[in-house]
Amino acid sequence: DAGITQSPRHKVTETGTPVTLRCHQTENHRYMYWYRQDPGHGLRLIHYSYGVKDTDKGEVSDGYSVSRSKTEDFLLTLESATSSQTSVYFCAISDQRGPPHPGANVLTFGAGSRLTVL
Amino acid sequence: DQQVKQNSPSLSVQEGRISILNCDYTNSMFDYFLWYKKYPAEGPTFLISISSIKDKNEDGRFTVFLNKSAKHLSLHIVPSQPGDSAVYFCAASRTSGTYKYIFGTGTRLKVLA
Repeated sequence: DAGITQSPRHKVTETGTPVTLRCHQTENHRYMYWYRQDPGHGLRLIHYSYGVKDTDKGEVSDGYSVSRSKTEDFLLTLESATSSQTSVYFCAISDQRGPPHPGANVLTFGAGSRLTVL
Repeated sequence: DQQVKQNSPSLSVQEGRISILNCDYTNSMFDYFLWYKKYPAEGPTFLISISSIKDKNEDGRFTVFLNKSAKHLSLHIVPSQPGDSAVYFCAASRTSGTYKYIFGTGTRLKVLA
């Protein structure tokens, strides 16, 4: 998957516990994103990063924090997991260079991490 | 407030016919649009994109049309094949600033053999 790895791929946890999902890329892309996919809601942006230590909120950032200390790693943390955070989480990367043209400036997604909060 | 909308949750089409998937957006600052296909238990994969300076982009069986005045885009698949059965997401972005990609809720396409 174009050098993007998510871990763990599956996790079951209990309400109130902290959870960290990791996204690792080998493409040296500047931009990294965390999305969650839920029925009826499609893909919703949680947080994104536009460089090392540069992050910003997305559409549904409450209850989540992120960190990017290296270009290749983008961590998503649920400080105290709740059942509403049961979801499939996707990491994506992008290398924004130059003006957009067909096929450029696209997101490449990882395989996803399925999180169940009991 | 949903900035990108796909109002048809599902669509069924006969093999060989045309599939038309629609997407509407509300933010006039969006100037770059993409379509993704997603199979179960996999990450979304890029299909085709279009910049706001164009009104059409074609790639094989896939064509995306953009109507900026209506803030509407559509994906045409001709001819449709059973392997096209998947969930399709449209996404929109601004090409200045910080490149946030906002996705729609998806349309599940089923191509019937």
